[in-house]
Amino acid sequence: GENVEQHPSTLSVQEGDSAVIKCTYSDSASNYFPWYKQELGKRPQLIIDIRSNVGEKKDQRIAVTLNKTAKHFSLHITETQPEDSAVYFCAASGNSGGGADGLTFGKGTHLIIQP
Amino acid sequence: EPEVTQTPSHQVTQMGQEVILRCVPISNHLYFYWYRQILGQKVEFLVSFYNNEISEKSEIFDDQFSVERPDGSNFTLKIRSTKLEDSAMYFCARTSGTNSYNEQFFGPGTRLTVL
Repeated sequence: GENVEQHPSTLSVQEGDSAVIKCTYSDSASNYFPWYKQELGKRPQLIIDIRSNVGEKKDQRIAVTLNKTAKHFSLHITETQPEDSAVYFCAASGNSGGGADGLTFGKGTHLIIQP
Repeated sequence: EPEVTQTPSHQVTQMGQEVILRCVPISNHLYFYWYRQILGQKVEFLVSFYNNEISEKSEIFDDQFSVERPDGSNFTLKIRSTKLEDSAMYFCARTSGTNSYNEQFFGPGTRLTVL
């Protein structure tokens, strides 16, 4: 089955600086890669996703890149703000048989924005 | 996007008892999923459900677990003979109900505590 590795486990950056979180996956059949933000005690919230037919996607201050050959994808947050502090999870899934597969998550990155 | 709701928000049970967790969809969502998250750990896929049938299940989803949609509306996860290690947050998720099969949106979760 799919295995997703995520690094770093903790990332501390100064407010206003950029943050980058990296993930690798093992199953070359995976074709969908979402990122979730989870605040303490809350549900995971989908913040951005990318499919295997594109290499990069951007939404305001966040962007995701995908390298299918190397089987890795990254989340980039620019101009970080205190409200960006949370745990971020990457995930991967396929789309076998016309249905939506379950997501395999990484272990999460605790992002801390220092004022 | 309207979200699913989950009941109860917190369930406390004695080891060996059975629990039923409920997910209530708002509109005609296509796929439903159950995930669990042990405190401080990553989100883990349990099972997906489509058209009143299990679509996919993980290794975690053994004979202790079952899912059904008894009244065509509520979507339930039953855990038989609970163990201490079943203590976790259980999230129901659904897809968007459009052609975007993959995007999964999580409900608020049920915190299960097994004593």
